[in-house]
Amino acid sequence: AQTVTQSQPEMSVQEAETVTLSCTYDTSESDYYLFWYKQPPSRQMILVIRQEAYKQQNATENRFSVNFQKAAKSFSLKISDSQLGDAAMYFCAYRRDQTGANNLFFGTGTRLTVIP
Amino acid sequence: NAGVMQNPRHLVRRRGQEARLRCSPMKGHSHVYWYRQLPEEGLKFMVYLQKENIIDESGMPKERFSAEFPKEGPSILRIQQVVRGDSAAYFCASSPSPSTTEAFFGQGTRLTVV
Repeated sequence: AQTVTQSQPEMSVQEAETVTLSCTYDTSESDYYLFWYKQPPSRQMILVIRQEAYKQQNATENRFSVNFQKAAKSFSLKISDSQLGDAAMYFCAYRRDQTGANNLFFGTGTRLTVIP
Repeated sequence: NAGVMQNPRHLVRRRGQEARLRCSPMKGHSHVYWYRQLPEEGLKFMVYLQKENIIDESGMPKERFSAEFPKEGPSILRIQQVVRGDSAAYFCASSPSPSTTEAFFGQGTRLTVV
């Protein structure tokens, strides 16, 4: 079974600084997708960034980037130039690369606080 | 194009009552997923439906929970005889096809059982 582990229940960062959120996962499959979702107090799940396992290049979306280490089954999220609006719960998620099996497996989340 | 719409946003039920949660997927999306988020936890997959079919219900509790996605109208997650432990946020996500990488989430329904 796929499991996703986020070992940091809470993190904090000074505004404009950089923070890295950790995620590890367990799978026996070679092809899959990994995601980071942001959940602000509104509860809306917002996709932050996505990584295909077959791609060696780390995904980047503006101030958000990932460090994908396939052999180590690690998928960390780096937020650069942190802003107050980045404060939220962040969830790492895994999805198999298989038609009809695209439900997501989520970690328990990391609560990010941004200090002005 | 409106996003995934869930209603109600908040639902309070007494123990033993029935809860009905609705999800209207994005226009053109015929695949719906339901997730449950217990307090301070991540989302857990419950069920995956296409129009008029349940494809994967491996995450659904065996009793009291059911889901449907009729040919017309929203997807419904029904919880019969609710108990305190059913209190959670229930999220719906939709996608246009099973091969689509990204699913789009609604804002969830927070169910409180008193």
